[in-house]
Amino acid sequence: EIVLTQSPATLSLSPGERATLSCRASQSVSSSYLAWYQQKPGQTPRLLIYGASSRATGIPDRFSGSGSGTDFTLTISRLEPEDFAVYYCQQYGSSPWTFGQGTKVEIK
Amino acid sequence: EVQLAQSGAEVKKPGESLKISCKGSGYSFTTYWIAWVRQMPGKGLEWMGIMYPGDSDIRYSPSFQGQVTISADKSISTAYVQWSSLKASDTAMYYCARLALGVAGPFDYWGQGTLVTVSS
Repeated sequence: EIVLTQSPATLSLSPGERATLSCRASQSVSSSYLAWYQQKPGQTPRLLIYGASSRATGIPDRFSGSGSGTDFTLTISRLEPEDFAVYYCQQYGSSPWTFGQGTKVEIK
Repeated sequence: EVQLAQSGAEVKKPGESLKISCKGSGYSFTTYWIAWVRQMPGKGLEWMGIMYPGDSDIRYSPSFQGQVTISADKSISTAYVQWSSLKASDTAMYYCARLALGVAGPFDYWGQGTLVTVSS
């Protein structure tokens, strides 16, 4: 099973700042089958990024993903008030599909 | 418009059985894999398993193998997850989600979630 470790657990930033979230895999993620999801309190998760770097439909371009192999990054270029949420990475290239434990982006 | 509509919240006692549902609409239900995801209170997301309604191919996470049963009725575009004997530790929100791009696909559409509470 591929274990995904996200860091930091919590990121305290102000609106307008840049957020950099990390997701490290215990072994290589095949074909960059790595996704990022956003979940706000009381809401359903939303797909942001798939294939490590492709934005899902309707996702603003301030969200970008990068990385390959075992190290992946989600960057939010300028935080908007609606971006404060929990973010999860997920690998879907090797069964069992697994999620990271999440990074909470909170208002400083 | 793609939608996954899940059944309503449930309150059960330990040892009881339960089957919750997820009805797909707005797309070809039999040609996309469906996943089930657990989220325990205040915790992260856990992949339970996936199913291809077209041929009933099912793959379970080792953590959930033998604990739940995933099924589907393609005639009514509905997927299910069921428990034969609930435990308090099954208390969680359960989501269904559609896999985009085949079996190795991200989860592009999600149901609204079904809250299951197991308490004596």
